[in-house]
Amino acid sequence: EPEVTQTPSHQVTQMGQEVILRCVPISNHLYFYWYRQILGQKVEFLVSFYNNEISEKSEIFDDQFSVERPDGSNFTLKIRSTKLEDSAMYFCASSPGPGGQQYFGPGTRLTVT
Amino acid sequence: GESVGLHLPTLSVQEGDNSIINCAYSNSASDYFIWYKQESGKGPQFIIDIRSNMDKRQGQRVTVLLNKTVKHLSLQIAATQPGDSAVYFCAEGRGTPLVFGKGTRLSVIA
Repeated sequence: EPEVTQTPSHQVTQMGQEVILRCVPISNHLYFYWYRQILGQKVEFLVSFYNNEISEKSEIFDDQFSVERPDGSNFTLKIRSTKLEDSAMYFCASSPGPGGQQYFGPGTRLTVT
Repeated sequence: GESVGLHLPTLSVQEGDNSIINCAYSNSASDYFIWYKQESGKGPQFIIDIRSNMDKRQGQRVTVLLNKTVKHLSLQIAATQPGDSAVYFCAEGRGTPLVFGKGTRLSVIA
């Protein structure tokens, strides 16, 4: 069964550093998403991406965040200058259409020290 | 149910019993609802979904009930098994982003 994959599984970085989280969505899906989950909290929407542009973003997704689909398979989330409060699990998801089930990857645990 | 801060509501059930997990959603305009299961250290895993034009949908051992009048969603798990132990999230959507609830921890007692 096709699945969303994410790398790395765990990323440790120092405050102020840039990080890039990588995702490979399911191959025939057209919509891509990033969510984050601070430890013990609910999953929060960050951004959705379709047709090579952001279709929707939340208040969390400020100028420090960016997304890119650099090729036909990868979907990345960049945090330019990490803060302690960026520490969280970051989940990538994809879906074939704009509504309906979103398929989640296993997540990347980001730890900012 | 909803949680405050780091404390998730917990439902403990005996193996073989039925489980009912409840969720209150916030947006009356939401037209799509989904239940996810999350095991420790893993991403949300799809269980079952329902659209707003339905009030009940059944899957394998799971049933989702939707009451739009009171904006309530429930997940029923029949014959609960140890492998069902996890945190369960409901999510609502209208269009693209899913809005997640804070989750309920299901603990199955063998």
